[in-house]
Amino acid sequence: GAVVSQHPSWVICKSGTSVKIECRSLDFQATTMFWYRQFPKQSLMLMATSNEGSKATYEQGVEKDKFLINHASLTLSTLTVTSAHPEDSSFYICSARDGGRDGSPLHFGNGTRLTVT
Amino acid sequence: GQNIDQPTEMTATEGAIVQINCTYQTSGFNGLFWYQQHAGEAPTFLSYNVLDGLEEKGRFSSFLSRSKGYSYLLLKELQMKDSASYLCAALDSNYQLIWGAGTKLIIKP
Repeated sequence: GAVVSQHPSWVICKSGTSVKIECRSLDFQATTMFWYRQFPKQSLMLMATSNEGSKATYEQGVEKDKFLINHASLTLSTLTVTSAHPEDSSFYICSARDGGRDGSPLHFGNGTRLTVT
Repeated sequence: GQNIDQPTEMTATEGAIVQINCTYQTSGFNGLFWYQQHAGEAPTFLSYNVLDGLEEKGRFSSFLSRSKGYSYLLLKELQMKDSASYLCAALDSNYQLIWGAGTKLIIKP
């Protein structure tokens, strides 16, 4: 079945530094990938839609200059949290649809737990 | 506005059956998904319904009524490993997923 790989699984960084999270579709091409954030005991919140070869679409309230998204190929999207602060500590999850079919399920990466000290 | 409602928490007994309900209000509708999420892990896909009726997959079944804006996930022969959050998500007319807050299912021996 379709697999999405996300790396790293967890990361601890100091306040003010930047962290890059990678999301790869391993056995299918994904023209669109989605980045979510989830705080403890809360639901998934869509941050942005990553589009291969073009700019990402950010949800309202998400700072595009802080959360940089690059979707350079059909199998790789990256999310960089710039100048991280403790309030950015969260569980970040990427997802993609197999073949970009709109009714097909989202396949999720295993998530990245970010802790900013 | 668009909205997904599902119970916050449910408790059931090992070996029993539990039904998790979900109601949705979206701008257009292109299907409904159920995902399972264990604590600290990413969601995993369980089911997708776009036509009315019941879809059965082993111990898990999912039902959809488009006219009522209603779905449920039915879990049979509950096992302790089924303790997780179950997320309901509807696909709107723009093929954007609208997520519910999730139902935390607690299984007791």
